[in-house]
Amino acid sequence: EDQVTQSPEALRLQEGESSSLNCSYTVSGLRGLFWYRQDPGKGPEFLFTLYSAGEEKEKERLKATLTKKESFLHITAPKPEDSATYLCAVIGASYDKVIFGPGTSLSVIP
Amino acid sequence: DGGITQSPKYLFRKEGQNVTLSCEQNLNHDAMYWYRQDPGQGLRLIYYSQIVNDFQKGDIAEGYSVSREKKESFPLTVTSAQKNPTAFYLCASKVGTAHNSPLHFGNGTRLTVT
Repeated sequence: EDQVTQSPEALRLQEGESSSLNCSYTVSGLRGLFWYRQDPGKGPEFLFTLYSAGEEKEKERLKATLTKKESFLHITAPKPEDSATYLCAVIGASYDKVIFGPGTSLSVIP
Repeated sequence: DGGITQSPKYLFRKEGQNVTLSCEQNLNHDAMYWYRQDPGQGLRLIYYSQIVNDFQKGDIAEGYSVSREKKESFPLTVTSAQKNPTAFYLCASKVGTAHNSPLHFGNGTRLTVT
């Protein structure tokens, strides 16, 4: 069964304290792994797509990496405005369904 | 700007009443989706549609119904048969289902049933 898990469930960082969020997946024939950011009461906002192991993408303080079993979202020198829930999702060989993880709630304290 | 509009933002209903959530997109996307989000759980797929006048059940379709009469619109009806309807509902779209492009989301409708 296709599945996505994320850890930790919640993460509290001091401003400037770098860390990583984990997304572990099992899916038949990975076609893409997506990272989203979700602010309270809003819909998820797309951040990155990764297609194959070894691929990396960067945007400001965020860097996403992908292996055959997991993805990491690295946050370098975070700021309070980075506080949000970060969602990971995968799409497999069947293409028609996107499977989401439960998310990691990130709080960055000034 | 292109995007997905969900309305209303908040919706309150009494138990036993059906309620319809609106979703409109102007991205010219073929595929549209409805997800439900509950605290501590991943987004769960309710229904999806690849083309006009066609739609498929997702993982938790019981108690819900949809229609796709226009490419731009994909309304969701939460019926009285849905046992636990209080949740945050998200509509999404992407270029096509047979495509690994990302989903684009609306800003959701929070439904409270008492």
